[in-house]
Amino acid sequence: DGGITQSPKYLFRKEGQNVTLSCEQNLNHDAMYWYRQDPGQGLRLIYYSQIVNDFQKGDIAEGYSVSREKKESFPLTVTSAQKNPTAFYLCASSPGGASGIEKLFFGSGTQLSVL
Amino acid sequence: GQQVMQIPQYQHVQEGEDFTTYCNSSTTLSNIQWYKQRPGGHPVFLIQLVKSGEVKKQKRLTFQFGEAKKNSSLHITATQTTDVGTYFCASRQSGGSYIPTFGRGTSLIVHP
Repeated sequence: DGGITQSPKYLFRKEGQNVTLSCEQNLNHDAMYWYRQDPGQGLRLIYYSQIVNDFQKGDIAEGYSVSREKKESFPLTVTSAQKNPTAFYLCASSPGGASGIEKLFFGSGTQLSVL
Repeated sequence: GQQVMQIPQYQHVQEGEDFTTYCNSSTTLSNIQWYKQRPGGHPVFLIQLVKSGEVKKQKRLTFQFGEAKKNSSLHITATQTTDVGTYFCASRQSGGSYIPTFGRGTSLIVHP
């Protein structure tokens, strides 16, 4: 959907390297999410943030870190502690709980592979 | 976390046949959403159901929410090749904060 930009589209990581995936939205949404998608696994929640300067771990947060210093931005860092990082990463946003609107808007995703 | 079971995982149909995917939960759901992801693409919101027994239609797509708000289905009548993709349901528990949990998805393959 328009309004959420993920970059890069493809990313390669070397052993022991940290990499950061970018996610920017201009929809003025309060809530942002990071999901990991593996074939046949659906979407698994890594981290989420419901307001600026606050974020919470999802179901598979180990080996990942995030920040939410600005409302528009929610970057995800895949650290060297994540031993199996190859996956399709999706960022999403929604207006937030206070608005009562729970529809998720997704970015176009980043495919991360290990060299 | 909350488990939302979605079946089947894959479904092959001939163009013109109908298709149905189901989502089931052991707990009461506040609402349920459906998304479609085309091959190589990202999930796109289709619809949200909130009320017990609710039925909504979008052209050839019919969405239902069970009376007990523990299950939902998406039915496509007379499939077309443009229906190809993976269909996901997403939900949260009744009374919970909105942390959406997705089913594993059903991949629809339509043979011309």
